[in-house]
Amino acid sequence: NAGVTQTPKFRVLKTGQSMTLLCAQDMNHEYMYWYRQDPGMGLRLIHYSVGEGTTAKGEVPDGYNVSRLKKQNFLLGLESAAPSQTSVYFCASSFAGTGSRYPYEQYFGPGTRLTVT
Amino acid sequence: KQEVTQIPAALSVPEGENLVLNCSFTDSAIYNLQWFRQDPGKGLTSLLLIQSSQREQTSGRLNASLDKSSGRSTLYIAASQPGDSATYLCAATDSNYQLIWGAGTKLIIKP
Repeated sequence: NAGVTQTPKFRVLKTGQSMTLLCAQDMNHEYMYWYRQDPGMGLRLIHYSVGEGTTAKGEVPDGYNVSRLKKQNFLLGLESAAPSQTSVYFCASSFAGTGSRYPYEQYFGPGTRLTVT
Repeated sequence: KQEVTQIPAALSVPEGENLVLNCSFTDSAIYNLQWFRQDPGKGLTSLLLIQSSQREQTSGRLNASLDKSSGRSTLYIAASQPGDSATYLCAATDSNYQLIWGAGTKLIIKP
């Protein structure tokens, strides 16, 4: 199993450009998440999905959109990049705990380092 | 609103020492609490997950405890090694399926 993979690993954008980050998992997990990590602030949830075709907003959703058309893929889009979106982006996935709907252990991808100039 | 705090932000100890990392949360209505390890420039690796009904979990030299009533979790590392050097993060799962994260403790084990 490849686990959770992210594409691309690095990207530099100019202000106003758009891009899509791809996350793929091969563990048949129901839940998928997009986080951003900034120095000294820990991880912050951008958007998440509890199943194919569903998405929900997290703590910092503004400026981002997501789609989960296939269970194994979760896409994060930046329509008009801003310098404040310079960050490291992590995707994660998890399965539901036994006998519950709540997410269990999360598995993370290696991250995408995005710089917006 | 749930808030998760990790103190200290950084810790440096000699090799071989036993140590404790702390994590506190403001709302006891959590579903589980997880501890992760992050190496520089890398993703996160899950170390231990404690369900809300559990008191502790163990994996090798690691032991994590959970006290919901006091809003605290600790990660105990026995006989520390230089390879344990990393940033350790804790995260609490709330009722909206979301993980609320601490900012992490950067641990350095000196040979």
